[in-house]
Amino acid sequence: NAGVTQTPKFRVLKTGQSMTLLCAQDMNHEYMYWYRQDPGMGLRLIHYSVGEGTTAKGEVPDGYNVSRLKKQNFLLGLESAAPSQTSVYFCASSYGLAGARGNEQFFGPGTRLTVL
Amino acid sequence: RKEVEQDPGPFNVPEGATVAFNCTYSNSASQSFFWYRQDCRKEPKLLMSVYSSGNEDGRFTAQLNRASQYISLLIRDSKLSDSATYLCVVILTGGFKTIFGAGTRLFVKA
Repeated sequence: NAGVTQTPKFRVLKTGQSMTLLCAQDMNHEYMYWYRQDPGMGLRLIHYSVGEGTTAKGEVPDGYNVSRLKKQNFLLGLESAAPSQTSVYFCASSYGLAGARGNEQFFGPGTRLTVL
Repeated sequence: RKEVEQDPGPFNVPEGATVAFNCTYSNSASQSFFWYRQDCRKEPKLLMSVYSSGNEDGRFTAQLNRASQYISLLIRDSKLSDSATYLCVVILTGGFKTIFGAGTRLFVKA
């Protein structure tokens, strides 16, 4: 099993460009999450999904959109990139609702995005 | 005030030492608690869950104090491989809000 994979691993964008980050999991997990991690701050939840075809906003959703057309994939889109979106983006998945016993979140390796 | 606060460190300890980290949380609706480990430029990985009764996994012991709203992680007999950042994670009742601390950096030296 590959677990949670993310593509690309690195990306440099110019302000105003758009891009899509892909997250894939092969563990048949229902729940998927997108986080960003910035220096000196904890991971912050951008959007999440509780199942195929569903998405919901997290703590910092502005400037991002997501889609979950297939259970195993969760896409994060940046519509018009801004320097404030320079960050490391982590995708995670869990079998059930995070917090319940046995429902740990498994993280992908991250995407390092720089917006110039 | 951050909802989950950790001492950023770094903690520099020799091999074999015992080191303890604390994490405080401010939201009384906090339901579940975890410690994650994050190596440099890598993804977070679950180290252990934290239960009200406390729990131990080998050299690692986690405690929860709901009255004072903090959790702790104790590492005994530190190894070089324990060098990492330790993230305190709190999940609020309902399960849809996960709050990560900024992490405590640990360096274990030979």
